[in-house]
Amino acid sequence: GESVGLHLPTLSVQEGDNSIINCAYSNSASDYFIWYKQESGKGPQFIIDIRSNMDKRQGQRVTVLLNKTVKHLSLQIAATQPGDSAVYFCAEWGAQKLVFGQGTRLTINP
Amino acid sequence: SAVISQKPSRDICQRGTSLTIQCQVDSQVTMMFWYRQQPGQSLTLIATANQGSEATYESGFVIDKFPISRPNLTFSTLTVSNMSPEDSSIYLCSAFTGKGPYGYGYTFGSGTRLTVV
Repeated sequence: GESVGLHLPTLSVQEGDNSIINCAYSNSASDYFIWYKQESGKGPQFIIDIRSNMDKRQGQRVTVLLNKTVKHLSLQIAATQPGDSAVYFCAEWGAQKLVFGQGTRLTINP
Repeated sequence: SAVISQKPSRDICQRGTSLTIQCQVDSQVTMMFWYRQQPGQSLTLIATANQGSEATYESGFVIDKFPISRPNLTFSTLTVSNMSPEDSSIYLCSAFTGKGPYGYGYTFGSGTRLTVV
């Protein structure tokens, strides 16, 4: 949904563990969803996408789950590595535009 | 996927002045978008810029403050006019560089970090 609030939620995980990042989207008519990773000083980088006619899609070490009933997306990262430290955003495509969610800062503990 | 180049990458500007940010895509694209990202926050869409038509602005953003040009299918500019410290932010351009929205090619530039003093 639209960006709200001043502070990004933070998720801390141990290196090697799996991470699950959650996102609630706002528009039930949105038909395409994307997860982005943003490192400090850089623009968002595409991770994985999913269409609304799917409920799961897997990539390399990442899986996106879509629950349209409750308008919820999640990003699962397997075997989290130090290079996964970043802010993660979900984005929904609808009405000819891409709207970003709030974002989650993922930190990796050694 | 295609590459989007933005410049300047950062600038420090005096209040009351204007800054024009350039966005160049290395392939032809129909839709380009401008976003603002305030410190520690998510991305907010400013406007959509399609070649051959006027930009479409989101609620809270107006053309007088953020005029946009889209002279061809590979280039766009965003101007931040009459700047105040509240305009300090990262400005990002993006585009569909794949075959429409249902694919891999929704790409962002690296952003312009603007500080207004």
